Amino acid sequence: AQSVAQPEDQVNVAEGNPLTVKCTYSVSGNPYLFWYVQYPNRGLQFLLKYITGDNLVKGSYGFEAEFNKSQTSFHLKKPSALVSDSALYFCAASYSGAGSYQLTFGKGTKLSVIP
Amino acid sequence: NAGVTQTPKFQVLKTGQSMTLQCAQDMNHNSMYWYRQDPGMGLRLIYYSASEGTTDKGEVPNGYNVSRLNKREFSLRLESAAPSQTSVYFCASSGDPDLGYEQYFGPGTRLTVT
Repeated sequence: AQSVAQPEDQVNVAEGNPLTVKCTYSVSGNPYLFWYVQYPNRGLQFLLKYITGDNLVKGSYGFEAEFNKSQTSFHLKKPSALVSDSALYFCAASYSGAGSYQLTFGKGTKLSVIP
Repeated sequence: NAGVTQTPKFQVLKTGQSMTLQCAQDMNHNSMYWYRQDPGMGLRLIYYSASEGTTDKGEVPNGYNVSRLNKREFSLRLESAAPSQTSVYFCASSGDPDLGYEQYFGPGTRLTVT
């Protein structure tokens, strides 16, 4: 069975500092990896994805993530955090073929950016 | 272009009552999904529909039924609601996920079962 782990329930970072939100995964076959953000009382918004190719992927709002196959990780990063980045972040994984329909989510990491 | 819409936004049910959550998308996507979100548990897939006319169970299908009415609409029905079904329900749609297309989510329905 596939699984996604986000080891930190909460991450606090000062405005202007770099931020990292961690994610590790376990899937069968070639992984498809996603990051989503959720603001209070809203649906999830897509940030970025890794399907194949370059291990460093860039997404919306200045976010990027690095796919590391040997460590089965897909950490979300941003060079300089903004207060408006404060939200709940979800990592999600599926895999190519029949598993591509079944997206498994991590439990989420609450990011707080302190002014 | 509204994306994914859901109705209602809020609903309170008594145990044993039934209701249908409605979802529609205007992005011409073949695939649609229903999830529930519970505190500290992320999102869990209830059912999905790979294309019009097909539906399949996800991780937590018990107590739910779905109907893919047409390409645009995918409904979720609770036949006899239970307090354990108190949750926030999200509908999503996507292009072919095997090509790596991401899912787009609706705003959610907050359901309370008393």
